[in-house]
Amino acid sequence: SQKIEQNSEALNIQEGKTATLTCNYTNYSPAYLQWYRQDPGRGPVFLLLIRENEKEKRKERLKVTFDTTLKQSLFHITASQPADSATYLCAFRDDKIIFGKGTRLHILP
Amino acid sequence: DGGITQSPKYLFRKEGQNVTLSCEQNLNHDAMYWYRQDPGQGLRLIYYSQIVNDFQKGDIAEGYSVSREKKESFPLTVTSAQKNPTAFYLCASKPTGSSYEQYFGPGTRLTVT
Repeated sequence: SQKIEQNSEALNIQEGKTATLTCNYTNYSPAYLQWYRQDPGRGPVFLLLIRENEKEKRKERLKVTFDTTLKQSLFHITASQPADSATYLCAFRDDKIIFGKGTRLHILP
Repeated sequence: DGGITQSPKYLFRKEGQNVTLSCEQNLNHDAMYWYRQDPGQGLRLIYYSQIVNDFQKGDIAEGYSVSREKKESFPLTVTSAQKNPTAFYLCASKPTGSSYEQYFGPGTRLTVT
């Protein structure tokens, strides 16, 4: 069955540095990947979508890459700020959208 | 103001009682979804509906029921048959088209004692 994996442990990054989160998938070749942000006690919010024919996508301080050979997407936050602390989820679509479990990111002041 | 709403934010019930969680959207989206989120488990799909009067079971549908009588509304009933109903429930909607992102509601935290 299709599987999507994210770093299960929390990631601590010093303010101002670049945070990099990983999303790996198996048994599927998605046409696109999505990234969401979720704050505690709230619903996820869509951030970025990257298609299989796109190597990289940027939005302000966010950058997503998609390597179909490695079956991996990387999510980068540059010049990280404490307000970036949240859980970040990746997702792709089979017959329905499949979410990873998310990675908790802590930006340390 | 367009969006997706869930009510109530917190819900408490006694074991053995059925409870219905509300989800309403005014985004004119065709598809709607219900997820359950437990600590360390990520989002698990309960039911989804791609069109009015039609819905499909997700990965963990046992003990739950839904209806889709109106495009705007997709209520979820947690029945007494659900063994571990205490969780954070999220409703989402999506416009037609495979790549469009899902829009999530604020969630309902259900506690059953």
